[in-house]
Amino acid sequence: GQQLNQSPQSMFIQEGEDVSMNCTSSSIFNTWLWYKQDPGEGPVLLIALYKAGELTSNGRLTAQFGITRKDSFLNISASIPSDVGIYFCAGHVNDMRFGAGTRLTVKP
Amino acid sequence: EAQVTQNPRYLITVTGKKLTVTCSQNMNHEYMSWYRQDPGLGLRQIYYSMNVEVTDKGDVPEGYKVSRKEKRNFPLILESPSPNQTSLYFCASSWSKESYEQYFGPGTRLTVT
Repeated sequence: GQQLNQSPQSMFIQEGEDVSMNCTSSSIFNTWLWYKQDPGEGPVLLIALYKAGELTSNGRLTAQFGITRKDSFLNISASIPSDVGIYFCAGHVNDMRFGAGTRLTVKP
Repeated sequence: EAQVTQNPRYLITVTGKKLTVTCSQNMNHEYMSWYRQDPGLGLRQIYYSMNVEVTDKGDVPEGYKVSRKEKRNFPLILESPSPNQTSLYFCASSWSKESYEQYFGPGTRLTVT
C-alpha cells in the first residue's frame, strides 16, 4: 500500500520559534490532512487540503498540498507550550494512510 | 457533546484471555473504524464498517474481530490475545468513508503479557 514518510520524527524547540514538518510519498493522494494528538487523547483534525497547490491556514498553522500531489507541509508559527503533541499527516485516495508522526516538544 | 467513547482506557491481560474493547459514538455516523498505533508506525487500520452489519478488513486485521449490530457501537474483539497485540488502540467515526473528518476516541492502551 501507499507509504507516507513523515519527518522529522521529533523536534525540540524553544517557545516562540517556528516549526516545519513534512510528509512525502511515492504515491499520489487526492487529499492531505494534518492531525494533532495531545498526550493521552486521540488525534484531532487540524487542517484538510483538497487541491494540489492549496495553501490553508488555521490560526498559527499553515499547511500546503504539494504540486506533485505526493507531499504536504505543515508550519507552526510562534510556537507555544500547548503546541506539544504528536502531529500526523494523512493522505487519502481510496482509503486513509497515516504518517508515523512528528513528536513536538516546546520548551518554555 | 459529540464524542467517541472507548472502554476500557487501560487494560493489562494475559495471553489467550478473550477481551472486548467497546466503542460508541453519538453523532449518528455511518462509518466507524479501529486503528492501532505503534511507535514509528503511525496509525494502521484494523477493521472498518461502512454501516450496520457491514464490516471489512483494514491493513492489519489478523487476530481481531469486530461487529456492527447497531449504528452507534463498534466493539473490537480479541479472541486470543498475544503479546504482539500490545498497542494503543483508537476507534474513529465519520459520516462516510469518503468523509475526511474522522472523530477519534481517547484510546485504549492494551498490554498483553
